[in-house]
Amino acid sequence: DAMVIQNPRYQVTQFGKPVTLSCSQTLNHNVMYWYQQKSSQAPKLLFHYYDKDFNNEADTPDNFQSRRPNTSFCFLDIRSPGLGDAAMYLCATSRDLRETQYFGPGTRLLVL
Amino acid sequence: TQLLEQSPQFLSIQEGENLTVYCNSSSVFSSLQWYRQEPGEGPVLLVTVVTGGEVKKLKRLTFQFGDARKDSSLHITAAQPGDTGLYLCAGRPRDNYGQNFVFGPGTRLSVLP
Repeated sequence: DAMVIQNPRYQVTQFGKPVTLSCSQTLNHNVMYWYQQKSSQAPKLLFHYYDKDFNNEADTPDNFQSRRPNTSFCFLDIRSPGLGDAAMYLCATSRDLRETQYFGPGTRLLVL
Repeated sequence: TQLLEQSPQFLSIQEGENLTVYCNSSSVFSSLQWYRQEPGEGPVLLVTVVTGGEVKKLKRLTFQFGDARKDSSLHITAAQPGDTGLYLCAGRPRDNYGQNFVFGPGTRLSVLP
């Protein structure tokens, strides 16, 4: 029944070592989003894909990249994680840009 | 500045009490969503409100969208410990077509047994 799946749920990486987080969806939604959420804060949008079109938020650091090889999958790549990148990373999907978003369970990233 | 404000920021109550949390903006929203997020989990959608003045009920939860579509409230009747969590309102401002989905800072609710 899972609709938005994120793997792994917990990820530990070393300072500066590239890491990839994955998200998949069974909803066949057009839009997939990546959010960063730090402790006691609201989720912050990093970027989204509308189908194959990539849309970066203006304040998203270049260190964060994304790939969407097909409708179902979307990846978040952190090229050189810093200690400040430790956070919960949330994937969400929506049928269209103006419609309700559905979230996955998140991946908690720890940077050592 | 936050486009969506939520109040109170923190709320701790006893089981069985009623409570209301608020989500306010100076902007008009096409729709607003309410989510509940538990520690270590992603936000779970509770409801979407679309029409000004709309009231939706989900068991003990009552959601209202303001007539002007600038604010919303969530009322919980007879709160239970299972209602504990972070309540987030979110939505897309009507005049920011297609690009931004805004979250409020959340209300952290603790229901004590």
